[in-house]
Amino acid sequence: QVQLVESGGGVVQPGRSLRLSCAASGFTFSTYAMHWVRQAPGKGLEWVAVISYDGTNRYYADSVRGRFTISRDNSKRTVYLQMNSLRPEDTAVYYCAKNRDSGWSKPFDWGQGTLVTVSS
Amino acid sequence: QSALTQPPSVSGSPGQSVTISCTGTSGDIGNYNRVSWYQQPPGTAPKVMIYEVSNRPSGVPDRFSGSKSGNTASLTISGLQAEDEAIYYCSSYTTRTTVVFGGGTKLTVL
Repeated sequence: QVQLVESGGGVVQPGRSLRLSCAASGFTFSTYAMHWVRQAPGKGLEWVAVISYDGTNRYYADSVRGRFTISRDNSKRTVYLQMNSLRPEDTAVYYCAKNRDSGWSKPFDWGQGTLVTVSS
Repeated sequence: QSALTQPPSVSGSPGQSVTISCTGTSGDIGNYNRVSWYQQPPGTAPKVMIYEVSNRPSGVPDRFSGSKSGNTASLTISGLQAEDEAIYYCSSYTTRTTVVFGGGTKLTVL
């Protein structure tokens, strides 16, 4: 079955960087788009970014565009989220999610998330 | 991209039906049949209950159904059970090639 395991979260000071990873198993990773979605404490879900199956297309939410970069390594079955210039409002649980099909409109299978806390 | 609009809360008694609405615009729900619904019990990751407006993944009870009219999508849960208590989120693809979520609706089973 699909397994997604996020890692790399932690406490970081404002303005610093952090890279999240999401290791995938149980499906043909190289044929699916992958999303990052976040959830601030006690708040709702916020879509962050998506990368196409081959990495050629990447789209971002306005709130992170220019600061965050999504990437993937199909040989390692891993998707990444490089987060620069972090702000307190970036504090959240970050989930990676596999798209349902070859498109990129439907986050479908989700990992358990990794917590990022931006605080001085 | 503004979030889709959901009611903050709904409630119903066991056995009853409830419907949760999700209102967007012509730039998202109104333009695509790519609406999904997610269930999130406290402390857990979201789970997809409906995709492409009305399709149920395997394993999701047929008590859960989805529909769409214009810029508004709806999730109906019939035969409410205590285990259905959770926060429900809708999402839609948008004309900006992004995904947008609703603010979430807390379902209470009385």
